[in-house]
Amino acid sequence: NAGVTQTPKFQVLKTGQSMTLQCAQDMNHEYMSWYRQDPGMGLRLIHYSVGAGITDQGEVPNGYNVSRSTTEDFPLRLLSAAPSQTSVYFCASGPGQGSFGYTFGSGTRLTVV
Amino acid sequence: GQNIDQPTEMTATEGAIVQINCTYQTSGFNGLFWYQQHAGEAPTFLSYNVLDGLEEKGRFSSFLSRSKGYSYLLLKELQMKDSASYLCAVREDGGGSYIPTFGRGTSLIVHP
Repeated sequence: NAGVTQTPKFQVLKTGQSMTLQCAQDMNHEYMSWYRQDPGMGLRLIHYSVGAGITDQGEVPNGYNVSRSTTEDFPLRLLSAAPSQTSVYFCASGPGQGSFGYTFGSGTRLTVV
Repeated sequence: GQNIDQPTEMTATEGAIVQINCTYQTSGFNGLFWYQQHAGEAPTFLSYNVLDGLEEKGRFSSFLSRSKGYSYLLLKELQMKDSASYLCAVREDGGGSYIPTFGRGTSLIVHP
């Protein structure tokens, strides 16, 4: 049982480049989310999904796209990277309601130069 | 949406007890979580409260008062490894979606 697998762990991009952060979970969770974490800002929600084929925007969605074609996978796409997107990105999954907390991936540290 | 407030930083002594407070405002409360995050690592789930009262899990306890929009995380017999950031997260019933919103976290420093 791998939990939530995020790749890559580190990435450096040039301004204007695009890339996809991968996230996969093997716990059959309905809910998946992407957060970014910046110093002093806590975890901010980028996009989330409540099931395959359903996605919605969070607090800071601009510059990012997501899709959820399967229950397991929830990739995050940076369309045209900007220095303001330098951050640590976490993918998380959970069962929606109930007492179980979200399980987080190990994070991707992204630097845009 | 929610407003979640918690202290930025706290310090405590090894072996002592520390209480980390969290206040929140929400229109459709559906549960409160506490997470622990060590530097450079992912957050890990500590506790969940949805009803008023105290939930105890070993050295860690979490309390909730829904009427006051208030929770605290109590850490007993502090150890050096408890130095970490503690995140309060509130789940809201957002028209059928139940996505937790996180506070900015409290950085706890435990010293000998």
